[in-house]
Amino acid sequence: QVQLQESGPGLVKPSETLSLSCTVSGGSITTQYWSWIRQPAGKGLEWIGRIYSSGSTNYNPSLKSRVTMSVDRSKNQFSLRLNSLTAADTAIYYCARAGTPGSGYYFDNWGQGTLVTVSS
Amino acid sequence: QSALTQPRSVSGSPGQSVTISCTGTSSDVGAYNFVSWYQQHPGKAPKLMIYDVIKGPSGVPDRFSGSKSANTASLTISGLRAEDEADYYCCSYAGSYTWVFGGGTKVTVL
Repeated sequence: QVQLQESGPGLVKPSETLSLSCTVSGGSITTQYWSWIRQPAGKGLEWIGRIYSSGSTNYNPSLKSRVTMSVDRSKNQFSLRLNSLTAADTAIYYCARAGTPGSGYYFDNWGQGTLVTVSS
Repeated sequence: QSALTQPRSVSGSPGQSVTISCTGTSSDVGAYNFVSWYQQHPGKAPKLMIYDVIKGPSGVPDRFSGSKSANTASLTISGLRAEDEADYYCCSYAGSYTWVFGGGTKVTVL
């Protein structure tokens, strides 16, 4: 059973850049898609983007100008960078498995989530 | 790309059935059979309950079923149980390798 674990700072200052990593255990990061999804407190889920193990990416159009995702196959990790932070970016950030090429238009395995607060 | 529309809450007594609607547009829900549903208990990560509109992952009770008509997808929970009390989110593929979620529905077991 694949497990995902997010890691990164819980507090980031406005205008700075958020950096989160997701470590995949119990399986390989290769030949899979991986996504980041966030949830502000008491609100709904928002898809941020996805990355393939080769490094190709797709981003939410509303966040595209501020988002960068990357993958480190040697560490079985993928990462999220979100710049120009504001209080509106305060949320629980989840990493999730997003399927394989040609199948899996859903998120079948989620990390526990990590709370990121944007505040000075 | 706007969020899908879900009712804020639905409720039912144990043993009853409840249905949650998820309304999108002809560019997302109506265009693709890639609607999924997630259950989220307080303080927990979402859990996949239905994918590809009607399919249930292994381990999910068959009391949970999905359907779609035009731009609206639905999740039905039959034989409602106390442990079904949670928030439920729909999600649809929206084309160009993007996804959109609904605002969430709180299910209360009376």
